[in-house]
Amino acid sequence: NAGVMQNPRHLVRRRGQEARLRCSPMKGHSHVYWYRQLPEEGLKFMVYLQKENIIDESGMPKERFSAEFPKEGPSILRIQQVVRGDSAAYFCASLPTGGEAFFGQGTRLTVV
Amino acid sequence: SQKIEQNSEALNIQEGKTATLTCNYTNYSPAYLQWYRQDPGRGPVFLLLIRENEKEKRKERLKVTFDTTLKQSLFHITASQPADSATYLCALYNQGGKLIFGQGTELSVKP
Repeated sequence: NAGVMQNPRHLVRRRGQEARLRCSPMKGHSHVYWYRQLPEEGLKFMVYLQKENIIDESGMPKERFSAEFPKEGPSILRIQQVVRGDSAAYFCASLPTGGEAFFGQGTRLTVV
Repeated sequence: SQKIEQNSEALNIQEGKTATLTCNYTNYSPAYLQWYRQDPGRGPVFLLLIRENEKEKRKERLKVTFDTTLKQSLFHITASQPADSATYLCALYNQGGKLIFGQGTELSVKP
């Protein structure tokens, strides 16, 4: 059973482009969380999804950011029209229900 | 407002000593609290979970306490080693199922 897979590991985008980050949860896990982390800072909650549903998106900016977790396939965090301030590490975590969260290795987004 | 706070300053200790990290929370009533370890450039890794009816939990050289009256958890690493150097994060769920993390405490164990 592979762990949580995130890709790409590193993503470079020019200002104004779109960034698409993927997270494949562990087999059997139906809950996915996305977090953003800046250097020397903690994990900031962005969004909590279950299959085909957004449960809590209170940590996600209202504009340019969206997330989905379709019935089939990975969860996607999409950032449109990226700006330099979007540069960060983005982590996803999956779990079957409450309890221990399993994290991916993150996607490091750099906006140039 | 709801907060989870950890020692903001890095903790530097000598090899062999016990490291103690603190996690305080306000305006939460968690059924359990978790501790994770994060190494640079990597995702957090789960270490321990302690439930509200458990005062203390141990795993090898790790010990966690949970005081729901003080709204505090303490995380101890005994006989610390340089390999224990990392950032340690506490986390809990709010009532809506959102998993919230403290800002983490960076631990450095010197040989």
